[in-house]
Amino acid sequence: DSGVTQTPKHLITATGQRVTLRCSPRSGDLSVYWYQQSLDQGLQFLIQYYNGEERAKGNILERFSAQQFPDLHSELNLSSLELGDSALYFCASSPTVRGANVLTFGAGSRLTVL
Amino acid sequence: AQSVTQPDIHITVSEGASLELRCNYSYGATPYLFWYVQSPGQGLQLLLKYFSGDTLVQGIKGFEAEFKRSQSSFNLRKPSVHWSDAAEYFCAVGQLRSWGKLQFGAGTQVVVTP
Repeated sequence: DSGVTQTPKHLITATGQRVTLRCSPRSGDLSVYWYQQSLDQGLQFLIQYYNGEERAKGNILERFSAQQFPDLHSELNLSSLELGDSALYFCASSPTVRGANVLTFGAGSRLTVL
Repeated sequence: AQSVTQPDIHITVSEGASLELRCNYSYGATPYLFWYVQSPGQGLQLLLKYFSGDTLVQGIKGFEAEFKRSQSSFNLRKPSVHWSDAAEYFCAVGQLRSWGKLQFGAGTQVVVTP
């Protein structure tokens, strides 16, 4: 157990729907990161939050949004889902946003869009 | 732009034999380098990291990696592979300015035969 908790582990939904993925960071970690792992794109950075504020954006679609709450848990919202959004979504956390600290990953949430 | 190349998509190795996984990166400044392992149904687990200093880095599970600046490589090695080492291995590069925005390679799937 890495200490990073992601729910749900699996999710099956239909095109056009909206889902929310949840992440609880490791105790003491202030920064949360979301990554997407798909067969065609591999592992891609989506977005980063630090202590409730967005700090960096990667290849995140406009249909996707995220936030980090005061208790430091984070949610990734995916809307108007398409078949191509089927992927494994990872959350990671780290103590700070400064360099030379390690990201700890959760087990992922597998999203299947039918 | 930084990039990470793992030339081998798939490697088959006999149990007890040595293993070397290749990773080449393209990055202008000093990179921060990582190797992660992903077992089926599991998240990404950090094997080892290189930030600075000794270019031969020891990690968990008997793995080591060597940073060679002249070759832009960070190859992962294990002297004697165990059946439990069957997994997918990812090399990743980070940069100080946007910490946490890791660039991952496409991964190398390792199969261990008896």
